[in-house]
Amino acid sequence: NAGVTQTPKFQVLKTGQSMTLQCAQDMNHNSMYWYRQDPGMGLRLIYYSASEGTTDKGEVPNGYNVSRLNKREFSLRLESAAPSQTSVYFCASSEATDLYEQYFGPGTRLTVT
Amino acid sequence: AQSVTQLDSQVPVFEEAPVELRCNYSSSVSVYLFWYVQYPNQGLQLLLKYLSGSTLVKGINGFEAEFNKSQTSFHLRKPSVHISDTAEYFCAVSEGNNNDMRFGAGTRLTVKP
Repeated sequence: NAGVTQTPKFQVLKTGQSMTLQCAQDMNHNSMYWYRQDPGMGLRLIYYSASEGTTDKGEVPNGYNVSRLNKREFSLRLESAAPSQTSVYFCASSEATDLYEQYFGPGTRLTVT
Repeated sequence: AQSVTQLDSQVPVFEEAPVELRCNYSSSVSVYLFWYVQYPNQGLQLLLKYLSGSTLVKGINGFEAEFNKSQTSFHLRKPSVHISDTAEYFCAVSEGNNNDMRFGAGTRLTVKP
């Protein structure tokens, strides 16, 4: 089992460019999450999907959109990247949203210049 | 809303010494508490969690934590650390769901030979 995989591992964008971060899990989990990690701030939830077909905003959703493509895949899109979106992005999954263990992917390091 | 404060941003210790990483939380309701570990260039991994019952919680890799409701703390301890414990450690608090989880800013533990 690969667990949670993310692509790409690294990305550099210019301000205003768009891109999609991909995430897939092979654990048959119902719930998936996107976090960003910034120095000195821990992880903050951007969006989550409690189950296939649903998505909801987290703590810091502005500037992002998500798509739960199917049970396995959950993508995060930046329509017009800004330097404030420079961060490390983590995808996670869990069996359900009510305190089941979250399993994290290895992260995508994004730099916006 | 709940919040978490990790009192030390960096903790250097020598191999085989004991270590305590401090975490305090605030919340107006009952909470559930977690410690995660992040090894270099990897995603987060659950170390241990307190949901209910005994206030002393044992986790993986010889770590344990004690929930102290009166002091609103959940400090992480290990009696003897190894070089391989060098990592960043995150305390997190939830009021009932993964999507309302709040992470601390992290404590970087460096174990020196």
